[in-house]
Amino acid sequence: GENVEQHPSTLSVQEGDSAVIKCTYSDSASNYFPWYKQELGKRPQLIIDIRSNVGEKKDQRIAVTLNKTAKHFSLHITETQPEDSAVYFCAASINQAGTALIFGKGTTLSVSS
Amino acid sequence: DAGITQSPRYKITETGRQVTLMCHQTWSHSYMFWYRQDLGHGLRLIYYSAAADITDKGEVPDGYVVSRSKTENFPLTLESATRSQTSVYFCASRTSGTSYEQYFGPGTRLTVT
Repeated sequence: GENVEQHPSTLSVQEGDSAVIKCTYSDSASNYFPWYKQELGKRPQLIIDIRSNVGEKKDQRIAVTLNKTAKHFSLHITETQPEDSAVYFCAASINQAGTALIFGKGTTLSVSS
Repeated sequence: DAGITQSPRYKITETGRQVTLMCHQTWSHSYMFWYRQDLGHGLRLIYYSAAADITDKGEVPDGYVVSRSKTENFPLTLESATRSQTSVYFCASRTSGTSYEQYFGPGTRLTVT
């Protein structure tokens, strides 16, 4: 079955710096890769996602890149702000239909001002 | 977000007791999911359902039972609760269309003593 590994587990940056979180997946059939943000005590919420037929997607300060050959994808946050502080989870679909997701263990991002 | 609800929000139960966590969504989403969230493990998929009367095991199904007699409800039952099942449980749902985004409920914090 699918296995998703996420690094680093914690990341501390200064406000205005960039942050990068990396994930690898094992199943070549996976074709959907979302990123969720979870603030303390809240539910996870989707911030960006990418399909396997796309190499990069950007939404304002957030971007995701996908390397299908190497089976890894990354989240890039530029010009970080204190409100970006949260836990970020990557995930990969278990099959080509995107039926269900397997999540990484999460990265705790701390942005200090 | 008000479209997917979970009850109870907090529950304390004793080892060996049966407990049922409820999930209800008003969007008529085909897919529904149950996750547990534990420190250091991220979000782990317990069970999922593609439609009424169709359920599948996820990563950690042992000790849990699900049913889905109606599209809008997806209850999760712990038949004989154990301390290792102390966790935060999230329900999620998504459409059967081209968007694979999962919408999470507010979560249920379960403590087994």
